[in-house]
Amino acid sequence: SALTQPASVSGSPGQSITISCTGSRSDVGAYNYVSWYQQHPGRGPKVVIYDVNNRPSGVSSRFSASKSGNTASLTISGLQAEDEADYYCSSFTTSNTLVFGTGTKVTVL
Amino acid sequence: QVQLVESGGGVVKPGGSLRLSCEASGLTFSDYYMSWIRQTPGKGLEWLAYISGSGTYTNYADSVKGRFTISRDNTKNSLYLQMSSLRVEDTAMYYCARDRSIAALWGQGTLVTVSS
Repeated sequence: SALTQPASVSGSPGQSITISCTGSRSDVGAYNYVSWYQQHPGRGPKVVIYDVNNRPSGVSSRFSASKSGNTASLTISGLQAEDEADYYCSSFTTSNTLVFGTGTKVTVL
Repeated sequence: QVQLVESGGGVVKPGGSLRLSCEASGLTFSDYYMSWIRQTPGKGLEWLAYISGSGTYTNYADSVKGRFTISRDNTKNSLYLQMSSLRVEDTAMYYCARDRSIAALWGQGTLVTVSS
């Protein structure tokens, strides 16, 4: 079943926010194949973090992530207006499938 | 420039069929697993299927197993999703994506509406 994320998180410009992604021993807790995606309205998702804590080339260093047990976290520091978007986590599973999180709407106040 | 472009979406009646395509450019297509993922307002993102670079190995989500078939033509740098016995709940934006343990690159999506 889907990984659990908070429905919404908000913060003021310059602040830091953290989004959690809770799964199980069969997905998040099983491998270091946790990824995070940013999706702006009307656009396809874009990877901002892969393999728990790696940033693709071109992604701002303000994005960081970690994992502890069955829960992964994405932190956006120095929040900017352009960060306002939906964020999803994903994890590869022990059934060799990919499972996504429920999604979090980030609002910049 | 690495790019994935989906096509083939449209309106179809329940029980009908549709074939989606995804054309890749800017990458060595046959080197990569490819996946299909869909997104609905109510259920969020849902992984549907992936296929190995050679096309030998496939895996499907239970929700589409037996109804959807993923395939590829490496000579055309193209990925396909044959959808049959479509249901109202299959209405969604359908994306192709590179890789299987991560959706590393996404297309812009193609909209499928199942309605009578």
